[in-house]
Amino acid sequence: GENVEQHPSTLSVQEGDSAVIKCTYSDSASNYFPWYKQELGKRPQLIIDIRSNVGEKKDQRIAVTLNKTAKHFSLHITETQPEDSAVYFCARPGDGSYGKLTFGQGTILTVHP
Amino acid sequence: EAQVTQNPRYLITVTGKKLTVTCSQNMNHEYMSWYRQDPGLGLRQIYYSMNVEVTDKGDVPEGYKVSRKEKRNFPLILESPSPNQTSLYFCASSPGQGVGGFNSPLHFGNGTRLTVT
Repeated sequence: GENVEQHPSTLSVQEGDSAVIKCTYSDSASNYFPWYKQELGKRPQLIIDIRSNVGEKKDQRIAVTLNKTAKHFSLHITETQPEDSAVYFCARPGDGSYGKLTFGQGTILTVHP
Repeated sequence: EAQVTQNPRYLITVTGKKLTVTCSQNMNHEYMSWYRQDPGLGLRQIYYSMNVEVTDKGDVPEGYKVSRKEKRNFPLILESPSPNQTSLYFCASSPGQGVGGFNSPLHFGNGTRLTVT
């Protein structure tokens, strides 16, 4: 099955700094690369996703970059704010079993005011 | 309002007592799935369903059953719960596949916190 490694597991930054979370995946033909945010006590919600026909996608302070050769994709958050504090997950669909979805282990991001 | 509804939100039960967690979506999504969330392990897929009457195992299906008799409902059944199934459970739905396979966002329910003693 798909193997997804997410790093770091925890990330602490000062307000206004940038944060980068990286996911490395194993062999997969899927062209879909989503990122989810889960605030404390709440459900995960999609914050950004990218298809493999583009190398980067940006939405205000959030961006995702994709390196298919190296098999990794990264979430970038600029000008971090305390409300960015949450757990972030990457995910990858599985090869062959299109309904299978493997999540990374999660990154706890803490933004200090 | 478009949503995925799970019930109950909290459940405490004893080992061996059969239980069902319900999940319903009102977005006419074809795809539905169940996940469990444990500290340090992220979200792990239990079962998924690509459409009515079609279900498949995820990464951690042991001890669970599901059914998909109607498009909107996807209940999770624990026939004989054990303490190692104590976890936070999420149901999710999605429009499903596009060209190249699964490429749609998941919409999650609010979660069910299950404790098995």
